[in-house]
Amino acid sequence: GQQLNQSPQSMFIQEGEDVSMNCTSSSIFNTWLWYKQDPGEGPVLLIALYKAGELTSNGRLTAQFGITRKDSFLNISASIPSDVGIYFCAGPRGGGSNYKLTFGKGTLLTVNP
Amino acid sequence: GAVVSQHPSRVICKSGTSVKIECRSLDFQATTMFWYRQFPKQSLMLMATSNEGSKATYEQGVEKDKFLINHASLTLSTLTVTSAHPEDSSFYICSASDRGYGYTFGSGTRLTVV
Repeated sequence: GQQLNQSPQSMFIQEGEDVSMNCTSSSIFNTWLWYKQDPGEGPVLLIALYKAGELTSNGRLTAQFGITRKDSFLNISASIPSDVGIYFCAGPRGGGSNYKLTFGKGTLLTVNP
Repeated sequence: GAVVSQHPSRVICKSGTSVKIECRSLDFQATTMFWYRQFPKQSLMLMATSNEGSKATYEQGVEKDKFLINHASLTLSTLTVTSAHPEDSSFYICSASDRGYGYTFGSGTRLTVV
């Protein structure tokens, strides 16, 4: 089945540093989604990518949809303490009107002030 | 934007009892809702797809008699954990589909079975 390999598993950085994480798959995805989950909360969508090669920004966040459609990365620039959380990549699988999301295993980000 | 409300946020129940979790789409109609389970420090695992007016579709390995899903209207889906046991303790999250990708999530329900 479709699986998403997300790395790194965890990151410990200093405030102000840039962060990069990525997801790869052996299967093609037509959409890549990046979510952030705070402790005890549901995931919140950060960036959605719909076209191969697409580069999209949301404030200090930038994500790209790999040209092969099998990978995506998320960059966070000038990290701040509130960036702490778990970041997930996800891609829809299935067809019709019932797309199901496949999630990566997440990247736990810790930012030291 | 799309808002999904999930209730309760936390629940503690005794072993053997049943617990109902509600998921509501507040500003859009959701023909499809998804229920996930998440263990500590792990990713989200899809349990079932809830379809308005029809039976839910369960993922392999998920007991449909254990986890009852009802999607009676375009804005409400419920998950009932029946005869709960300590191993059912987990974080349950719903997601409602407003554009077919199910990318609006509720805030989750922390279930503790004692």
